[in-house]
Amino acid sequence: SSELTQDPAVSVALGQTVRITCQGDFLRSYYASWYQQKPGQAPVLVIFGKNDRPSGIPDRFSGSSSGNTASLTITGAQAEDEADYYCNSRDSSGNHLEVFGGGTKLTVL
Amino acid sequence: QVQLQESGPGLVKPSETLSLTCTVSGYSISSGYYWGWIRQPPGKGLQWIGSVYHSGNTYYNPSLKSRVTISVDTSKNLFSLKVTSVTAADTAVYFCARRPIAAAGLDFWGQGTLVTVSS
Repeated sequence: SSELTQDPAVSVALGQTVRITCQGDFLRSYYASWYQQKPGQAPVLVIFGKNDRPSGIPDRFSGSSSGNTASLTITGAQAEDEADYYCNSRDSSGNHLEVFGGGTKLTVL
Repeated sequence: QVQLQESGPGLVKPSETLSLTCTVSGYSISSGYYWGWIRQPPGKGLQWIGSVYHSGNTYYNPSLKSRVTISVDTSKNLFSLKVTSVTAADTAVYFCARRPIAAAGLDFWGQGTLVTVSS
């Protein structure tokens, strides 16, 4: 079982805003990073750090964190945003170990 | 542009050793950063296997630590994964990826390679 917990599935109407959450004690110490994965493809980093986006990631993707919960928000979801989303963080042991959440399947209606 | 490419056998027999290599282009491993392996069983989520720092320090998922070895060859600009005593549960797509610093995300990934454990 993952030590980072995500809802298995979330849906959003086209053009609306959706928040995908990730819970875990590690998140009290470290920021989560977020990845988008489409079928048959490698994951793509969309958010890291406090709220940083790699070059090429649309600004409709944003991240936030509070307590033991990290959130990925998509403002104005597009059809191409339909994908699986995974959070990832270091564990709090200080040993550079990492963990992924179980993933959230986002459906854009 | 940084590129990572996994290579290795697509079929491994049970109880044998799975060996994969990740060749990096566009960046010199000896310059720094963490280099990791992640796997994804068919239809399931991502699992972090472990990573190696450019200096050779390694970090492993505790659930796999007894069977996993990750090493780096800076002369060939590649890093490698070995998983011993494999079973069907090790069947997965294996990805390699780069993490610039501990606080950053995994910014470049290989395309992934499917390894099937079967006799």
